[in-house]
Amino acid sequence: DTEVTQTPKHLVMGMTNKKSLKCEQHMGHRAMYWYKQKAKKPPELMFVYSYEKLSINESVPSRFSPECPNSSLLNLHLHALQPEDSALYLCASSQDRDYEQYFGPGTRLTVT
Amino acid sequence: GENVEQHPSTLSVQEGDSAVIKCTYSDSASNYFPWYKQELGKRPQLIIDIRSNVGEKKDQRIAVTLNKTAKHFSLHITETQPEDSAVYFCAAGSGNTGKLIFGQGTTLQVKP
Repeated sequence: DTEVTQTPKHLVMGMTNKKSLKCEQHMGHRAMYWYKQKAKKPPELMFVYSYEKLSINESVPSRFSPECPNSSLLNLHLHALQPEDSALYLCASSQDRDYEQYFGPGTRLTVT
Repeated sequence: GENVEQHPSTLSVQEGDSAVIKCTYSDSASNYFPWYKQELGKRPQLIIDIRSNVGEKKDQRIAVTLNKTAKHFSLHITETQPEDSAVYFCAAGSGNTGKLIFGQGTTLQVKP
């Protein structure tokens, strides 16, 4: 398997809901990332995990909570989001932190 | 803070012509420079990258050049084809943090 997969593809949630985004890779990569991308803008780094430990949190609000249960999985737990959090959430992975990053297809999130 | 500037924001060329996209970075510690292509509704796709110990890298119709002294790097696409139409993002990464700073993107349109 040479791809990063993400589920769900689309998600609509209310401001009081709790939901989770899932990312999976089976390439043996030891670094995984969450990015947020707004329309017509570049990806914006949110979190970096290295060897299943959080190494970078780009001052992301606590309503976004990442989790790395094992070396192949990365979750992003969402709670009490705001409409401005609507965006494409991209997961990426790399062999290690200074190697090429490969993106998943993203989850299109709409907060109503 | 860390910043990557990318120009032009839009670029329209005739099929068969060359296209050049330029980026400038601010962090002297940057040592990794990938380029991503993102088609509408798709994931960013890594198309070529270069590290700071190399001045130029080529892969078929795509080449990247790096001038560390001037903190410039550029993407060159020769013999452009309509399928090259997409948004192109440059990025700069430093050390082994895994953190990539993206440019604002260039929308390339190749007219048949």
